Amino acid sequence: NAGVTQTPKFQVLKTGQSMTLQCAQDMNHEYMSWYRQDPGMGLRLIHYSVGAGITDQGEVPNGYNVSRSTTEDFPLRLLSAAPSQTSVYFCASSYSGTGITGGRRGFHEQYFGPGTRLTVT
Amino acid sequence: SQQGEEDPQALSIQEGENATMNCSYKTSINNLQWYRQNSGRGLVHLILIRSNEREKHSGRLRVTLDTSKKSSSLLITASRAADTASYFCATESYNNNDMRFGAGTRLTVKP
Repeated sequence: NAGVTQTPKFQVLKTGQSMTLQCAQDMNHEYMSWYRQDPGMGLRLIHYSVGAGITDQGEVPNGYNVSRSTTEDFPLRLLSAAPSQTSVYFCASSYSGTGITGGRRGFHEQYFGPGTRLTVT
Repeated sequence: SQQGEEDPQALSIQEGENATMNCSYKTSINNLQWYRQNSGRGLVHLILIRSNEREKHSGRLRVTLDTSKKSSSLLITASRAADTASYFCATESYNNNDMRFGAGTRLTVKP
């Protein structure tokens, strides 16, 4: 298993440009999420998905879009890059436990990708 | 806002000593997890403790959970230089389908 893969590893954008960060997992995990990590801080949740066709916002969703057309892929789109989006972005996936349609879900451990270091000038 | 807050922010110890990190959180949780991050790398899962558990062990790691105080602690015994990393707690809120991380504790173990 490759686990969670992210591309690209590094990216430099100019203000106003758009791009897509790719994330894929081969563990058949229902749950996938995107976090950003800024210097000296923990991870802040951007968007997450509990299964194909289902996405929801996290703590800091503004300026980002996601979609989940397959179980394996969960791309993150920056619509119009801003310097405030300079950060390291991590994708993660996990089993979701008791199911996605209702009731308490009970996360298992999250598997993280290696990260994408994005600089917006 | 972030759910968990780790304490201390930074910890420096000698090899062989024990390291204790604490995590406090605000809302009722389903489970709490601890992760390690080496510099410039992704996070690696260490241990998960559910809300109905009080203590778990994994090798040199011991995690406690006190839901009445909304707090958890991670103890690393007989620390090694290779334990140098940042440690994060993450909580699964009872009512939300997501996990929130704290800002982390930066542990330095001196050889």
